[in-house]
Amino acid sequence: GAVVSQHPSRVICKSGTSVKIECRSLDFQATTMFWYRQFPKKSLMLMATSNEGSKATYEQGVEKDKFLINHASLTLSTLTVTSAHPEDSSFYICSARDRDRGWLNTEAFFGQGTRLTVV
Amino acid sequence: KQEVTQIPAALSVPEGENLVLNCSFTDSAIYNLQWFRQDPGKGLTSLLLIQSSQREQTSGRLNASLDKSSGRSTLYIAASQPGDSATYLCAGLTTDSWGKLQFGAGTQVVVTP
Repeated sequence: GAVVSQHPSRVICKSGTSVKIECRSLDFQATTMFWYRQFPKKSLMLMATSNEGSKATYEQGVEKDKFLINHASLTLSTLTVTSAHPEDSSFYICSARDRDRGWLNTEAFFGQGTRLTVV
Repeated sequence: KQEVTQIPAALSVPEGENLVLNCSFTDSAIYNLQWFRQDPGKGLTSLLLIQSSQREQTSGRLNASLDKSSGRSTLYIAASQPGDSATYLCAGLTTDSWGKLQFGAGTQVVVTP
């Protein structure tokens, strides 16, 4: 199946600093990528939809100034957690679909996830 | 808004038994449903994708069914093995969601040797 690579897999940062997480589709192009957050023993919560060449669409309650999303190419989306605080500690996962196969008929592929710990 | 529920939240079975995992959804406008496996601290691995026009999909020991009228999908894992221990998530896609999946909370499975 298609591969989505997410980096880093684990990061620890100090409170007040910013952290960037990368999500790459390795063998397909993705016009749209999705960023999720997962709390312990909970389901995935969609944070935002990343659109190549345009602004991201954020879900209700997600601070766009705190979670900056950039989708500069058809294979790369980045999520930057700005001025991170301990409550931002979580597991972040990205997802992508193959642009050429359409979003309705194909499966979504997920990255390996990033465990963010803010101390 | 699509709501997805998975029951039970946790399940423990001895090796060799068949596993039955349930997923229910509220929006009958579902276009497809996807089952995932998640190991602790890891991302999601796609297991099966069932289109709304299909009733069933199989891959090896895995079989997933979809019944739109009752709002249910079931994942069967035959002859379970300790390596099947993981959390299994189902997620629905509706035609107006533009690719966004709505996830259930998952079923944590433990297969004991």
